[in-house]
Amino acid sequence: AQTVTQSQPEMSVQEAETVTLSCTYDTSESDYYLFWYKQPPSRQMILVIRQEAYKQQNATENRFSVNFQKAAKSFSLKISDSQLGDAAMYFCVSPGSQGNLIFGKGTKLSVKP
Amino acid sequence: DTAVSQTPKYLVTQMGNDKSIKCEQNLGHDTMYWYKQDSKKFLKIMFSYNNKELIINETVPNRFSPKSPDKAHLNLHINSLELGDSAVYFCASSQSLAGVQETQYFGPGTRLLVL
Repeated sequence: AQTVTQSQPEMSVQEAETVTLSCTYDTSESDYYLFWYKQPPSRQMILVIRQEAYKQQNATENRFSVNFQKAAKSFSLKISDSQLGDAAMYFCVSPGSQGNLIFGKGTKLSVKP
Repeated sequence: DTAVSQTPKYLVTQMGNDKSIKCEQNLGHDTMYWYKQDSKKFLKIMFSYNNKELIINETVPNRFSPKSPDKAHLNLHINSLELGDSAVYFCASSQSLAGVQETQYFGPGTRLLVL
């Protein structure tokens, strides 16, 4: 079964500091995308960053970057210079075999001022 | 402009009622999805449609019936609502059913509360 594991149910970071959220996944696909989605209290599901598995270079979007280790099926998210607005539930997401997305259980990130 | 919209955003209803949630996307995408997020925030696929054709139908009670009148719309009708149906329902869309190499865009969610 395809699974996504986020081992940290909750994380906390001081404003302006850096935090890393971990994720491992399992897929039988060879070329695929991986995603991190963010869900703030507003409930909206927001795409944070996307990694194309065939690219060795880690994706970066402003303060957000990933550490993608394809062989280890590891896909962690690093948030630099954390801001209060980064507080949210973060979901690591991998593709399912039928075009759907497989979500991890999420990591709730708190940002302390 | 809203890319994926859902109505209503909140729905409070009694057990046994029938209700519908509407979803529309203006991205020109071919594929649309319904996901359910339970009280523990876990999201799981319910249905997907590609060009109005049902592709995925996960283990969902047949009280749930999706309907796609056209490519831009995927509505979710729920009969005989039960307490366990209380959740947040998300609609999403993607360009095509390339699946593993597609980005999905989500609507704002509909919070359903069954009393």
